[in-house]
Amino acid sequence: NAGVTQTPKFQVLKTGQSMTLQCAQDMNHEYMSWYRQDPGMGLRLIHYSVGAGITDQGEVPNGYNVSRSTTEDFPLRLLSAAPSQTSVYFCASSYSPGESEQYFGPGTRLTVT
Amino acid sequence: RKEVEQDPGPFNVPEGATVAFNCTYSNSASQSFFWYRQDCRKEPKLLMSVYSSGNEDGRFTAQLNRASQYISLLIRDSKLSDSATYLCVVIGALTFGSGTRLQVQP
Repeated sequence: NAGVTQTPKFQVLKTGQSMTLQCAQDMNHEYMSWYRQDPGMGLRLIHYSVGAGITDQGEVPNGYNVSRSTTEDFPLRLLSAAPSQTSVYFCASSYSPGESEQYFGPGTRLTVT
Repeated sequence: RKEVEQDPGPFNVPEGATVAFNCTYSNSASQSFFWYRQDCRKEPKLLMSVYSSGNEDGRFTAQLNRASQYISLLIRDSKLSDSATYLCVVIGALTFGSGTRLQVQP
């Protein structure tokens, strides 16, 4: 199993550009989520999904969209990049949100200039 | 008050020392708790779950104190390889603490 994969690993955007961060898992997990991690801070939940076709907002959803058309994929879209979105983005998956281990992807390091 | 709070450290300890971290949480209805380890510029990985009765895995012991609403992680006989940031996770709102950085020195 590849586990959770994320692409790209690094990205530099100009203010106002849009892009999609890709996340895929091959463990048949129903639950997937996106976090951002800023220096000296913990992980903050952006959006999550409890299954295909179902998504919901986390703590910091503004400026981001998600979709979940399949169990395997959970892309995160930045609509109009801002310098405040410079961060490391982690995708995670698990069998359920509350009781089981979350598996994280390797992260995408995004810089917005 | 933040939902989950941790002392950011860094905790600088010599090899062989015993070190303990606490993590306080505000939601008394929280049911599940975990400790994750994150190495520099890497993704977090599960270290251990925290059960009501406490649990031990080798040199690591995790405990839960519901009355005072905190969880703890005790590391005995610290190794250089234990140097990392330790994040507590409180399920309910899937909230991560900001992490405690441990630096074990030779």
